[in-house]
Amino acid sequence: QKEVEQNSGPLSVPEGAIASLNCTYSDRVSQSFFWYRQYSGKSPELIMSIYSNGDKEDGRFTAQLNKASQYVSLLIRDSQPSDSATYLCAVSFTGGGNKLTFGTGTQLKVEL
Amino acid sequence: DGGITQSPKYLFRKEGQNVTLSCEQNLNHDAMYWYRQDPGQGLRLIYYSQIVNDFQKGDIAEGYSVSREKKESFPLTVTSAQKNPTAFYLCASSWEAGVAEQYFGPGTRLTVT
Repeated sequence: QKEVEQNSGPLSVPEGAIASLNCTYSDRVSQSFFWYRQYSGKSPELIMSIYSNGDKEDGRFTAQLNKASQYVSLLIRDSQPSDSATYLCAVSFTGGGNKLTFGTGTQLKVEL
Repeated sequence: DGGITQSPKYLFRKEGQNVTLSCEQNLNHDAMYWYRQDPGQGLRLIYYSQIVNDFQKGDIAEGYSVSREKKESFPLTVTSAQKNPTAFYLCASSWEAGVAEQYFGPGTRLTVT
């Protein structure tokens, strides 16, 4: 069973700080990695995708992938109260077609 | 505007009744997916379709059925055989079979009493 693990939180950070969200996965041979943001009562919104080892930056967001250690992380710089949401990690495993396996999400709270 | 629509937003049904959830997309995406989300849990895949007139079971297909007669539409029927149907149902789509990035519709919250 392919698995994706996240700490459920809540992770609390002060406004302006860097929020660091982590995700580990069970299969060393995996293809694609995604971070979704989900506000309470709403559907997930894709914010980052990463396919190769290293860092990928998009505005205040940076995704980091380390396939050897089987983890992917999301950094949010200059955190804002509007970043308060649940962040879902999703992995497309090799041989799994285009199916995504989701973690249970980490709740982020950005405090004033 | 391009996007994925789901209707209705809220749906209430009595136990024992079948109910069909609508999902339509005008993004010209080949692949479509149905997930359910329960409180405190991640998304679980119910069914997916990579091409018209073809679909595959996901991890929790029992008690559900789908059809894919048109590229734009992928309705989900929750049958009376589904033991715990109350959940948040999410439809997603992706460009083509080889692309994993999925985009979600707004969801349908189903309550069965």
